[in-house]
Amino acid sequence: SQKIEQNSEALNIQEGKTATLTCNYTNYSPAYLQWYRQDPGRGPVFLLLIRENEKEKRKERLKVTFDTTLKQSLFHITASQPADSATYLCALDIEGFQKLVFGTGTRLLVSP
Amino acid sequence: DTGVSQDPRHKITKRGQNVTFRCDPISEHNRLYWYRQTLGQGPEFLTYFQNEAQLEKSRLLSDRFSAERPKGSFSTLEIQRTEQGDSAMYLCVGGGSYNEQFFGPGTRLTVL
Repeated sequence: SQKIEQNSEALNIQEGKTATLTCNYTNYSPAYLQWYRQDPGRGPVFLLLIRENEKEKRKERLKVTFDTTLKQSLFHITASQPADSATYLCALDIEGFQKLVFGTGTRLLVSP
Repeated sequence: DTGVSQDPRHKITKRGQNVTFRCDPISEHNRLYWYRQTLGQGPEFLTYFQNEAQLEKSRLLSDRFSAERPKGSFSTLEIQRTEQGDSAMYLCVGGGSYNEQFFGPGTRLTVL
């Protein structure tokens, strides 16, 4: 079956450290992968998109890697801040018209 | 603020009643999507419009659900004869030019 897996347990880290979140998928060959941030009671907010032919993408303190051989994406937040606390979702475009399939998300808690 | 608005933000209804939600994307969003999200899960695709044409419907969208996008601008999602299992956050998404997707704030539906 087709699956997208993200760590279901919350990730707790200290302010200033680098947070690393994992997204693994099976049986998909996505053209690209996206990461979103979601705060409680609100819609997801787009963060980064990485294409299948890209290994790494950066935006300010954010970095995403995409390994199509391992079928894995890693999402890094450097110099994390308490304001980074949220749920982070990865999503794959599996049919080419931006119909996204989402993972269940990983909750990140950054302590001061 | 993504520029995508949804109305209402919250809806409480009794089982068996009909409900209708509205989404207003920005004018540049020729693509529009509806997703549904339940607690602890990622959003699930429901349906997709390219301008006014509904091009894709998920099997999640039973006969009780109908979506429209007259004139390719705002969209409505109607649920007839609501059931408790319909309780969820309904998210409208506008599609941008570079595969970015802009989520609205969502309509939270509670069916009693």
